[in-house]
Amino acid sequence: KQEVTQIPAALSVPEGENLVLNCSFTDSAIYNLQWFRQDPGKGLTSLLLIQSSQREQTSGRLNASLDKSSGRSTLYIAASQPGDSATYLCAADRGSTLGRLYFGRGTQLTVWP
Amino acid sequence: AAGVIQSPRHLIKEKRETATLKCYPIPRHDTVYWYQQGPGQDPQFLISFYEKMQSDKGSIPDRFSAQQFSDYHSELNMSSLELGDSALYFCASSLKTGGGSEQYFGPGTRLTVT
Repeated sequence: KQEVTQIPAALSVPEGENLVLNCSFTDSAIYNLQWFRQDPGKGLTSLLLIQSSQREQTSGRLNASLDKSSGRSTLYIAASQPGDSATYLCAADRGSTLGRLYFGRGTQLTVWP
Repeated sequence: AAGVIQSPRHLIKEKRETATLKCYPIPRHDTVYWYQQGPGQDPQFLISFYEKMQSDKGSIPDRFSAQQFSDYHSELNMSSLELGDSALYFCASSLKTGGGSEQYFGPGTRLTVT
């Protein structure tokens, strides 16, 4: 089974700060590592997908990196804004074509003005 | 772009009743996944279908069943509902490639069992 851990569980920062959210997983034989955003009581919005052959992906102010050998991924958020406040979840598969995702518990981010 | 559609968005049932959740994947996606997210919990994989056949099974209770139809939509049937079944149920779809593929999630169905 793939175990996914996210640190920290919660983070509260002032607007404008650069942030790093951490995700670790136990099985390095993954195909995909996805980062999601979830607003309270809402669905999951895919932010970035890193495939096993890649080391990082960027979208706007977001950058995600993947280090399979150490079982880690980081999500970097530049110049944070109050609208970034949400829970961020990472999810990894287990390197098979079955594709089920194993989720971490998420990091609850609050960006205050 | 078309997204994953789930219906209903909210559902209230009493204990021991049955519920049916529906999922319409992104057009041309061939794989559907179901996940359950309890209050304050991370999403847990229930079951998936590839080309209308069950492809993987997770922690899905025997009281639940699911299938994927010829038009690729999927239904999750839940019987003898219990209070602990109250959760957000997500459907995701993907287009399977040689390796893993990105999953796109629907908005979820919030099931409340009273």
